[in-house]
Amino acid sequence: AAGVIQSPRHLIKEKRETATLKCYPIPRHDTVYWYQQGPGQDPQFLISFYEKMQSDKGSIPDRFSAQQFSDYHSELNMSSLELGDSALYFCASSSLTRQDSTAEAFFGQGTRLTVV
Amino acid sequence: AQKITQTQPGMFVQEKEAVTLDCTYDTSDPSYGLFWYKQPSSGEMIFLIYQGSYDQQNATEGRYSLNFQKARKSANLVISASQLGDSAMYFCAMREGQTGGFKTIFGAGTRLFVKA
Repeated sequence: AAGVIQSPRHLIKEKRETATLKCYPIPRHDTVYWYQQGPGQDPQFLISFYEKMQSDKGSIPDRFSAQQFSDYHSELNMSSLELGDSALYFCASSSLTRQDSTAEAFFGQGTRLTVV
Repeated sequence: AQKITQTQPGMFVQEKEAVTLDCTYDTSDPSYGLFWYKQPSSGEMIFLIYQGSYDQQNATEGRYSLNFQKARKSANLVISASQLGDSAMYFCAMREGQTGGFKTIFGAGTRLFVKA
């Protein structure tokens, strides 16, 4: 079965550079979530999109932006990168049109971003 | 207030024994889902088990079972017959319904060490 695809899997950037992370949700899933997991930390919610509209916002820095496109894939754009942005970035997708909307959100394998 | 509390930063268990990982949660939403994820050193977030707030019976998935005590707001994970490959970080998580925006909220995690 198709899973959530994230690219790239690993990314190394220098301070003040920009980075774009991509997420391809499971087909027919209408909601995408982004999470940031720092070293030794639990994943923290950044932002979510439902049907291409921003649906919820968490601890996403102003330097970051995200969007969901017409094909439902999503991109997280990160500018003016800082050392503290080094983390594992997860994307998850789910279907809110399902009867049981609190059922599992499926996670991608993550993108490991290292800022040097 | 913490939504998900995991009070055990680390746990040791002897191979082939059972282990219980504790999780308590806090929500006022009547509709929510509780999850356990395993995160090995490679970083991916592996879904283990799910319990819906309206489920009458405790969830089980192979060697994993969830001890759901709704009145106490606890959702402990029981791993039976531990294996060396079970050594990993384990996260308890919750998705609330409409009031929570359906995003997944994680606990701080418990690192499990399985001894040979």
